[in-house]
Formats: sequence, C-alpha cells, structure tokens
Amino acid sequence: DVKVTQSSRYLVKRTGEKVFLECVQDMDHENMFWYRQDPGLGLRLIYFSYDVKMKEKGDIPEGYSVSREKKERFSLILESASTNQTSMYLCASSLENQAHEQYFGPGTRLTVT
Amino acid sequence: GENVEQHPSTLSVQEGDSAVIKCTYSDSASNYFPWYKQELGKRPQLIIDIRSNVGEKKDQRIAVTLNKTAKHFSLHITETQPEDSAVYFCAASHGGYQKVTFGTGTKLQVIP
Repeated sequence: DVKVTQSSRYLVKRTGEKVFLECVQDMDHENMFWYRQDPGLGLRLIYFSYDVKMKEKGDIPEGYSVSREKKERFSLILESASTNQTSMYLCASSLENQAHEQYFGPGTRLTVT
Repeated sequence: GENVEQHPSTLSVQEGDSAVIKCTYSDSASNYFPWYKQELGKRPQLIIDIRSNVGEKKDQRIAVTLNKTAKHFSLHITETQPEDSAVYFCAASHGGYQKVTFGTGTKLQVIP
C-alpha cells in the first residue's frame, strides 16, 4: 500500500516568512510532484522531480522552489510567503513511467496572514 | 503546453441516475487520460484511466470514452449512489514519463 505523507495538515504563517512543506513517500517512486488546489482552478502543478536532485518547473513555479536530496523526500519552499499563496498544497508520487498514476498525500492547508 | 477543460463544474443527479462529465484537451500528442476522485476532505485517488489506443474502458459502474479526433473524453457513472458524491478531475499527459495536466474538477452530488 503506497503511503505518501506530508509534514503538516494545517499551517499558519505570516507574510514574508520562509515556509517549508515536506513530503515523504515509502514506495521507492522515482517521480514526485507538488500541486496547489484552489476552488474552481483544480490541481495546478508547481514543480515536479523525476530523480534525486532533478527538478522541473510546472505551470505555476513563481514564488516557489523545491529540493529533492533523497529519493523518498520532496520539499516545497516558499522563500517569502505572501497572502496569495494561501492554499491547499498536495504532494504526489508515481513510478517513473506511470506519471498518470499518481498517489497523493493528505494535503497541507496553508494560511498566510 | 497542454490545456484541459472540464464540464460541468457542478452536477446534481438523483440516486440511480447516470452522470456524465466531459473533458477536452488541446495537445494531440497526449495519450494517457486518467480520472481522479476526491471525496470531501480526502486526497485525490485514481479511479480509472484510458490510453489513446483504446476508445472505451469500463470498470463496473464507471466507463470512460475517448474520441481522439475530436480531442475529448468523458466519464460515465451509471446507477449513481450517494458514495459517488465527490469532486472528479480529468487529466491528460503525453505518456508515463511526462507531467499530467488536470482539469478544473466537477463536483458531483448524488441526491438520495
């Protein structure tokens, strides 16, 4: 059974703070993804990684960076949080040749005040 | 890049009726079309997917159809039940190694 976990379910940060969201998967998946989910906008890809230390920009990378130092862990970093980054953040993972079959984490509801 | 449009944004049906959700995509090179279901407060989960070399796929009460010429695909749920109530996302990708582009979601409500 694939398990994808995220470090926090709820997070409240102040404008300008540096924020780290952590994601860990235990199925040795090569691909990992970060999305944000907003009402009416669906799931929008921020960044993805297909291998350790590799990253690719998604559709909305501005204001975010990522880190993948180990295969099982993929971190999303908000260098200077802003109120428009208040959202639900979802991490996902998949096998390297099955990006259409993703396993999602429970999500982190981030509020920036 | 790929653009996926999904309709309707909300859908209410009586229990036992059928529900249809439609999506269109822009990139003719896309060849994987997964569907995800997200129940309230839960994470999205893959429920079915279809590849471009297949026109239709069924799994119990769920079926997906694909029209490559028109670049649209649909999810059909028959004999709907209250537990089918959720947000459904369609998606498209170029293949197993590529990123997936999601639609904006359809909130399905099944009325008992």
